[in-house]
Parts: sequence; structure tokens; C-alpha cells
Amino acid sequence: SQQGEEDPQALSIQEGENATMNCSYKTSINNLQWYRQNSGRGLVHLILIRSNEREKHSGRLRVTLDTSKKSSSLLITASRAADTASYFCATDANDYKLSFGAGTTVTVRA
Amino acid sequence: DAGVIQSPRHEVTEMGQEVTLRCKPISGHNSLFWYRQTMMRGLELLIYFNNNVPIDDSGMPEDRFSAKMPNASFSTLKIQPSEPRDSAVYFCASSRETGGTEAFFGQGTRLTVV
Repeated sequence: SQQGEEDPQALSIQEGENATMNCSYKTSINNLQWYRQNSGRGLVHLILIRSNEREKHSGRLRVTLDTSKKSSSLLITASRAADTASYFCATDANDYKLSFGAGTTVTVRA
Repeated sequence: DAGVIQSPRHEVTEMGQEVTLRCKPISGHNSLFWYRQTMMRGLELLIYFNNNVPIDDSGMPEDRFSAKMPNASFSTLKIQPSEPRDSAVYFCASSRETGGTEAFFGQGTRLTVV
């Protein structure tokens, strides 16, 4: 079963705009990770945020985590056409299993 | 490092045939995962190995599915006999530790059972 649920399911933005997507989960976690999947390719790890962290940055990516609300958000600033992909959150609930959500499909229009 | 290597990239087979998917994890990684991705069910964890030992195969859908890891650099996922509902993209992933670290995914094997 999927632990995380992303919202929205799909997002279409203009190049240069920011893209925000959210992830909600059900159980306590050790960490939460975001992955990107380009069409026809494998998943690529973007960023990991631990349960005792509230915000993390990596380049144009900003991730927040609110453990009280069991939610996380991923912000991509100044989007580019190359950011067009599906984005997945994955939760690590103190075991080896990474449980993935259904993903958010992001389309960046030139 | 070349990353996680899966073969074949695409497989088309007839119902009832045996299918074997292969995976070479990143050298030095001691955890290996097999996932299945479909539109209906998303990404599902099938089985997890740690130090070549299967730790949890509760995600394996049926007895038709089996997985092995004879050594640290090779794993197989076998489906026998295959059925049309097994059509999916199968991913292998590896990581350095058990939990708490990122997983590195292969490019996947797109399986079509006709």
C-alpha cells in the first residue's frame, strides 16, 4: 500500500515559474525523500529530509517537512523545461521499506 | 560507477513463458530492492535483500514470482509462468545501508506479456 499521497496529480506551469507539490503520509517516519522520474527512465533521488528537520535546500529545490501534520512540500523555483517529469515522495518509516506515493506529473511549458 | 544496471530493457513474451529479469547493483551497496510500477498500482516493493539475503518478500504477488541474489553483484527476478497482468516496468534499486539513505534505481525493464 502507498504511504505517501502527492497533490496535485498533475501540474502545468510556464518556464520560469515556481512549482509546488505536496505529500501527505499516514505513519511516523524516519525520513522522507523526493525522487524525480523522467518518462521511460528510472527514479532519481533529489533530496532527503530527516524527521527532525523542518526545511532543506538543494539548488533550486526547497523541501519542507511538518511531522505534526504528516506532510511535506517540494518547491522547484525558476522552473525549466528540463524539470518536466513525475515527482514522487517516499517515506522511510524506520525500516528498510521506501513507500512511494502516486506522484505528481509536472509539465513546464516553454 | 555505472549505476544500477538492469537487463533486458524491454521484454515481450507470450503468456505462460518464463521471464528472467537481471540486476547488477552498485558496487559496495548492501541493500537491493525489486519494485514494480504500473499505472494502476504505482510503485510496489516486491522484495528486499540485505547482504544477499532475502529479508522481506511479502510484496511478491504470487508463487509465480521468485527472486535470487547469489552474490553481492547480481540478482534475478523470475516469473514462471508469466501472465498478461504481470505487464509492468520492473525496477531494481540498491542502497548503502538499510534505511535512512537514498536508493539508486536502474533504468527498469519494461515487460509485456501477450
